[in-house]
Amino acid sequence: DTGVSQDPRHKITKRGQNVTFRCDPISEHNRLYWYRQTLGQGPEFLTYFQNEAQLEKSRLLSDRFSAERPKGSFSTLEIQRTEQGDSAMYLCASSFLNEQYFGPGTRLTVT
Amino acid sequence: AQRVTQPEKLLSVFKGAPVELKCNYSYSGSPELFWYVQYSRQRLQLLLRHISRESIKGFTADLNKGETSFHLKKPFAQEEDSAMYYCALNLADRGSTLGRLYFGRGTQLTVWP
Repeated sequence: DTGVSQDPRHKITKRGQNVTFRCDPISEHNRLYWYRQTLGQGPEFLTYFQNEAQLEKSRLLSDRFSAERPKGSFSTLEIQRTEQGDSAMYLCASSFLNEQYFGPGTRLTVT
Repeated sequence: AQRVTQPEKLLSVFKGAPVELKCNYSYSGSPELFWYVQYSRQRLQLLLRHISRESIKGFTADLNKGETSFHLKKPFAQEEDSAMYYCALNLADRGSTLGRLYFGRGTQLTVWP
């Protein structure tokens, strides 16, 4: 296990298209988090899963965003009808207790 | 409301000089504080957490509840310490948000030779 992985690492899409990102957490970690990071800012919380249950969603997560963790292992984050303001680095993290381990991120560019 | 404030966006010191990266937080409960570091082209990684009270890579940080601060310090900076440092807060005593981290905007530390 080499840590949290994310796919793809980079995604360029046109405005209005849908995109989906995948996160594979560290195998024994039951908690999984999604964050978004824009230039010059720290990561901002989007949503959090404990096993397959989505326990919290930030108000940053508009109706166009949806996240799933169907079997309590990997997670997907989908953005529908992308907008230029969605351009950011999307980070996934996982934890067993309160130490979160981050993936390399998916950089989304919406043109 | 910004829960974590890192007042310095950029910080430069010379090798061997002491360094202090400031972090202030806003929370009246029992916080859990972390420092994360991101080296160039690498992922965000945990540097230290206040409850472990460890010194990692020569860095220490003490939680000061009176001043609501968690400053990161190192007595003698090294060139390899050059990186982006983020302070992060977990509202550990609020079950509904357990685990969610609030990050500051980060401080880019540059250590000159």
